[in-house]
Amino acid sequence: NAGVTQTPKFQVLKTGQSMTLQCAQDMNHEYMSWYRQDPGMGLRLIHYSVGAGITDQGEVPNGYNVSRSTTEDFPLRLLSAAPSQTSVYFCASSRWDSSGNTIYFGEGSWLTVV
Amino acid sequence: GDSVTQMEGPVTLSEEAFLTINCTYTATGYPSLFWYVQYPGEGLQLLLKATKADDKGSNKGFEATYRKETTSFHLEKGSVQVSDSAVYFCALWTGANSKLTFGKGITLSVRP
Repeated sequence: NAGVTQTPKFQVLKTGQSMTLQCAQDMNHEYMSWYRQDPGMGLRLIHYSVGAGITDQGEVPNGYNVSRSTTEDFPLRLLSAAPSQTSVYFCASSRWDSSGNTIYFGEGSWLTVV
Repeated sequence: GDSVTQMEGPVTLSEEAFLTINCTYTATGYPSLFWYVQYPGEGLQLLLKATKADDKGSNKGFEATYRKETTSFHLEKGSVQVSDSAVYFCALWTGANSKLTFGKGITLSVRP
């Protein structure tokens, strides 16, 4: 069971370039989300999805696009990279069970925009 | 809105010392509470959680009790090890806005 898989793990972009961070989960979770982690700010929600075909904005959505065509995949697109998007990005998926909500994170993608 | 406040860091302790990391929250409804740990260069791992008042989450010698009366979820460990050096995040989930709300995190360094 792979859990939540993110690729790439490291990426350097030039300002203005676009790219897609991939996220896949094999646990059949309905809920998936993207966070960014910046020093001294914890993690902030970028976008989330409660199921295939449904997405919504989080706290810091500007400059990012998402889509959810399947339950398994939730890619994050940077439309025109800016240095302010240098960050560590985490994808998460979750399910509800008898013990409440369990949220699983990917291993992170370190992005540098120069 | 929802928020999580963690004590200021970083924290440096000697091995076998007692650890307390404070976490308080404000939330609408009845949140689930979590502690996540991030080891250097790695992603987030769920350390423990509690879903209702007075629940105690525990894992790897760490404990935290959901205190609704004080809106707190302090993390404790009786004897820390060098391998516990990491960043610790307190978080809550209410489901109302479908997101985890994180504290800013605190860096723990344990010296031999």
